[in-house]
Amino acid sequence: GNSVTQMEGPVTLSEEAFLTINCTYTATGYPSLFWYVQYPGEGLQLLLKATKADDKGSNKGFEATYRKETTSFHLEKGSVQVSDSAVYFCALSDQMNRDDKIIFGKGTRLHILP
Amino acid sequence: DAEITQSPRHKITETGRQVTLACHQTWNHNNMFWYRQDLGHGLRLIHYSYGVQDTNKGEVSDGYSVSRSNTEDLPLTLESAASSQTSVYFCASSEGGTKNIQYFGAGTRLSVL
Repeated sequence: GNSVTQMEGPVTLSEEAFLTINCTYTATGYPSLFWYVQYPGEGLQLLLKATKADDKGSNKGFEATYRKETTSFHLEKGSVQVSDSAVYFCALSDQMNRDDKIIFGKGTRLHILP
Repeated sequence: DAEITQSPRHKITETGRQVTLACHQTWNHNNMFWYRQDLGHGLRLIHYSYGVQDTNKGEVSDGYSVSRSNTEDLPLTLESAASSQTSVYFCASSEGGTKNIQYFGAGTRLSVL
């Protein structure tokens, strides 16, 4: 079945450091891939997405590239800020069977130190 | 602006009581979902609906029920609350198809004592 595996946290970085959060997936079809972010006390919100191989999603300085050959969708940011402290979820949607459910990873908590 | 709202934001109840958590969306989305979030487990799907009168069980549906009588609302009922159901509950909605982005409410923190 479909699944998402992302690196366990917490990840602690200093401000302006480079960020990578790894995500790999297993899917039977051709999934769309997402990164969601959850700030403290809030629900999840979409950060970026990619719908086909080699697509790059980007938003707020974050980027992730859909790599079909390595079944990966790693999240990167060149210079993190304290305000980026949150929980990040990698997710996929595989509508091969007309199923609109989204499969989420377990989340990676990110702490940015000033 | 369209939104999805959950109420209450916080709830304390006793073991054995029936509890209903409300979810209301103004996106006019056909799809609605209920998740619970617990440390170490991430988000787990409880129930979901793809339209009025449609409901489906997720991976952790035991002890929970939903009903969908209109497009806007999907209330989640805990028939007889148990301490294991202490959690943060999130409702989400989506248009589905090629625009399958889920929009989440702010969550309800439920404590069962």
